[in-house]
Amino acid sequence: KAGVTQTPRYLIKTRGQQVTLSCSPISGHRSVSWYQQTPGQGLQFLFEYFSETQRNKGNFPGRFSGRQFSNSRSEMNVSTLELGDSALYLCASSLVCCTDTQYFGPGTRLTVL
Amino acid sequence: ELKVEQNPLFLSMQEGKNYTIYCNYSTTSDRLYWYRQDPGKSLESLFVLLSNGAVKQEGRLMASLDTKARLSTLHITAAVHDLSATYFCAVDKTPSNTGNQFYFGTGTSLTVIP
Repeated sequence: KAGVTQTPRYLIKTRGQQVTLSCSPISGHRSVSWYQQTPGQGLQFLFEYFSETQRNKGNFPGRFSGRQFSNSRSEMNVSTLELGDSALYLCASSLVCCTDTQYFGPGTRLTVL
Repeated sequence: ELKVEQNPLFLSMQEGKNYTIYCNYSTTSDRLYWYRQDPGKSLESLFVLLSNGAVKQEGRLMASLDTKARLSTLHITAAVHDLSATYFCAVDKTPSNTGNQFYFGTGTSLTVIP
């Protein structure tokens, strides 16, 4: 069974640009969550999607947004990039909810210059 | 805001020794998860603890949850080099059946020395 896949794996952008990251969950998984990992702030929750609806949201500015498609694939978008957005962005999927194990993808390493 | 604290942050231990990593959290939750992360890699799920008194074991690792004390422990028995990694605990803030919103601890970087 294929795991969670994320594309691209590496990305370099400049300040002010926008970026879209993609996540394909494990087949059959309907919940997708996004996390930001930085050395300074650690792992922080961005948002969770289920059945194309945002179910939970972390404390990030509105520049961070996401969506989920009918096939459970998800994208996140960051507009007006700032240097502090440089991070590893991890996507995780789970079967449905709540007590199910979340399986993490390899991440997208975003560097903002 | 939910705070999750792990200690120690760094742990260097000799092969064959035992040690415990502690995860304290600041608000009520009955769902706690342990993950492992190898350098440059993603997170690998180790344990899912869903009730007070839950204990799970896999190989040389054993995790437990005390929801009343808001404390989880990850015990390492007879450490081997392959266990060298960073270990994270995560607490789910959301009420049951309303989705997932993980709050992660700071991580414990474990190095096992031959």
